Amino acid sequence: QKEVEQNSGPLSVPEGAIASLNCTYSDRGSQSFFWYRQYSGKSPELIMFIYSNGDKEDGRFTAQLNKASQYVSLLIRDSQPSDSATYLCAATSGAGSYQLTFGKGTKLSVIP
Amino acid sequence: DGGITQSPKYLFRKEGQNVTLSCEQNLNHDAMYWYRQDPGQGLRLIYYSQIVNDFQKGDIAEGYSVSREKKESFPLTVTSAQKNPTAFYLCASSDRDDGYQPQHFGDGTRLSIL
Repeated sequence: QKEVEQNSGPLSVPEGAIASLNCTYSDRGSQSFFWYRQYSGKSPELIMFIYSNGDKEDGRFTAQLNKASQYVSLLIRDSQPSDSATYLCAATSGAGSYQLTFGKGTKLSVIP
Repeated sequence: DGGITQSPKYLFRKEGQNVTLSCEQNLNHDAMYWYRQDPGQGLRLIYYSQIVNDFQKGDIAEGYSVSREKKESFPLTVTSAQKNPTAFYLCASSDRDDGYQPQHFGDGTRLSIL
């Protein structure tokens, strides 16, 4: 059973702080990893994707991948109240696979 | 504007009734997907399609059916065999179905039992 695990939270951070969201995956063959943001009652919105070990930065967001540890993280710098949402981690199932396995999400609350 | 349109936004199903959820995309994407999301849960794959006139079952296909007669359209039918259909249904598409192209989502359809 392929699994993607996330701490459900809620994770509370003060405005302006760095929020760190973590995700582990069970399928060692997973190649691609995606972070989605989902506001309450809305559909998921793509934030970042990463394929290679290391860091990938886009504005205030940094995705980190460590395939040896089967670990993916998302850092949000200078957190804003508008970042308050549930963040979903997803991983593909093996090389060349198109199916995504989603975690249950981490709820982030940014306190003004 | 390019995007994925799902309709209706809200849908109610009576006992023994089949209902169809619409998903249309004008992004010229090859691959399309249907997911189901229950409260506090991750997304679970129902069906996916890589090309016209071809589709495959996902993890929870029982009680659902799909068709892909046109590249831009991938409707989902929730049949009476699906005994617990209340959920948030999400349609997604991606440029190619190679595991590297991100999937983008429509706004979703909320289905409830009357």
